[in-house]
Amino acid sequence: AQKITQTQPGMFVQEKEAVTLDCTYDTSDPSYGLFWYKQPSSGEMIFLIYQGSYDQQNATEGRYSLNFQKARKSANLVISASQLGDSAMYFCAMSGPQGAQKLVFGQGTRLTINP
Amino acid sequence: GAGVSQSPSNKVTEKGKDVELRCDPISGHTALYWYRQSLGQGLEFLIYFQGNSAPDKSGLPSDRFSAERTGGSVSTLTIQRTQQEDSAVYLCASSLGGRYYEQYFGPGTRLTVT
Repeated sequence: AQKITQTQPGMFVQEKEAVTLDCTYDTSDPSYGLFWYKQPSSGEMIFLIYQGSYDQQNATEGRYSLNFQKARKSANLVISASQLGDSAMYFCAMSGPQGAQKLVFGQGTRLTINP
Repeated sequence: GAGVSQSPSNKVTEKGKDVELRCDPISGHTALYWYRQSLGQGLEFLIYFQGNSAPDKSGLPSDRFSAERTGGSVSTLTIQRTQQEDSAVYLCASSLGGRYYEQYFGPGTRLTVT
């Protein structure tokens, strides 16, 4: 069965520092997608970045990059030059088993950026 | 353009009552999903619709939960005989379809069963 593990329940980082949020996954599917979402205190889920299992290069979107290590089954999110507005819950997710379109989510990491 | 909208934003109901939650997906998105998020938890998949295919209901926790999608657009999630454990935020999402497209989420409906 698909499983996403986020081992950091909370992280505290100084503004302007880079931060890495950990995500490991488990699947027997050869083809899958990995996603990161941000959930501010307002509750909305905001899509950040996507990585396909066959993509050769790590995905990047502005200050976000995904450190994809397929052999280790890890898909860590890296945020460069953190800002106060980055304070939020961050969820790692992957596409469901056997081609299912549903997303399987981790438990999330609460990131707090200190001024 | 307009994002995913959900109504109501908040719903308080008494145990045993039925509730209906509504979702309007992004225009042109063929796939629609319902998830549930309990306090401090990750998202739990409930059901998804893809075009005219039979919905994937594998995440519905009991037969008190049902959903329909009319005309390939608006969807309604119905919870019958609500229980206190149904209290959660119910999130709807839509996508262009396919497992490699990102899902765009609505603001959610916070359901409280008293």
